[in-house]
Amino acid sequence: DAGITQSPRHKVTETGTPVTLRCHQTENHRYMYWYRQDPGHGLRLIHYSYGVKDTDKGEVSDGYSVSRSKTEDFLLTLESATSSQTSVYFCATRDNNEQFFGPGTRLTVL
Amino acid sequence: DQQVKQNSPSLSVQEGRISILNCDYTNSMFDYFLWYKKYPAEGPTFLISISSIKDKNEDGRFTVFLNKSAKHLSLHIVPSQPGDSAVYFCAASLDNAGNMLTFGGGTRLMVKP
Repeated sequence: DAGITQSPRHKVTETGTPVTLRCHQTENHRYMYWYRQDPGHGLRLIHYSYGVKDTDKGEVSDGYSVSRSKTEDFLLTLESATSSQTSVYFCATRDNNEQFFGPGTRLTVL
Repeated sequence: DQQVKQNSPSLSVQEGRISILNCDYTNSMFDYFLWYKKYPAEGPTFLISISSIKDKNEDGRFTVFLNKSAKHLSLHIVPSQPGDSAVYFCAASLDNAGNMLTFGGGTRLMVKP
């Protein structure tokens, strides 16, 4: 267990509102990731970070932004939520060649 | 277009028998492959991995086979136990560090007592 927490665990919001999801780790891992999980698609990478203030886009980055001001925190922001962003979001960290996942955040955009 | 595919959305197996989960990929540049297991309301957990330079890796009841020419990998669970019931994801990475994983859609395994 890499000591990864995500908050909130559940959120319901309305279309057009901004939403920020937080990932917090206690293991001092350098790499952090945000994925979304949708039926039939498995997990798809949104953004990742390879250090404080160092981030890059993943496969499905449109409509999302991230920030990493501290090693332990990686924030995912939906500037203006859309119904297509209804999903389960997972944060992960990497140590050596293994990724460790948080418990997930279920986001519903109405 | 999905680069990693798990064509069986579900699999049912009797306890004690072998479970075989399959995964196909299209990108020949993938260098490292992993299997993750996921229970409901939890994050995926790492199960086993294999480098592209190997064709088999074994860890207890779990064995992963890689056929590079066919771009196919499989996970064998022997013997299957009811606690193995979960969704299994295969994933692939372009480097051997497990960075930037591309996941398949998952296979739900049900092991019946």
